[in-house]
Amino acid sequence: DQQVKQNSPSLSVQEGRISILNCDYTNSMFDYFLWYKKYPAEGPTFLISISSIKDKNEDGRFTVFLNKSAKHLSLHIVPSQPGDSAVYFCAASAGGNKLVFGAGTILRVKS
Amino acid sequence: EPEVTQTPSHQVTQMGQEVILRCVPISNHLYFYWYRQILGQKVEFLVSFYNNEISEKSEIFDDQFSVERPDGSNFTLKIRSTKLEDSAMYFCASSDGQDIQYFGAGTRLSVL
Repeated sequence: DQQVKQNSPSLSVQEGRISILNCDYTNSMFDYFLWYKKYPAEGPTFLISISSIKDKNEDGRFTVFLNKSAKHLSLHIVPSQPGDSAVYFCAASAGGNKLVFGAGTILRVKS
Repeated sequence: EPEVTQTPSHQVTQMGQEVILRCVPISNHLYFYWYRQILGQKVEFLVSFYNNEISEKSEIFDDQFSVERPDGSNFTLKIRSTKLEDSAMYFCASSDGQDIQYFGAGTRLSVL
């Protein structure tokens, strides 16, 4: 099942700089997109989401951008902090049902 | 802050045994889900539950699996006869129907 892809397994960023995590999807029926953050031995923690009727949603240091024509979304974290180091999952749903997850990107923020 | 609670955090069982994984969803939520993540693989959907019945299930969710809401607070996943390949992290999630699902910390199931 490759409907949601996160092509970068890992990303390393210096503290204070911008982190950009990318996600691509193939299913045109997806109408809601979410980013989750996960620490080892914990469950996914909801971070930020965006509806398909929008192209940007911002919450503090976190901004999600959606490009529907390219079927691409990205998560920007500015400024990045060491506590942001975790696995970030992109997920998508169609009609508020099951979530389809990407494989995740490991973010390391170096101090 | 309300949270989804899962017990136990780690369950070890012998192949062929039955296991029940327990979840207490967020109290005012009406939609409940189980997902699993096999080591090194994606988080994958198992089943969704609303209004005391299954609303959707994946191909993984075969006759060996069942879900139940035995009372007003608990939501359980039962695996009737565990196989080695059922070893995974199992996550419960709940939602108030507004698209965002909130996850528990997971139960690590080890089948020996």
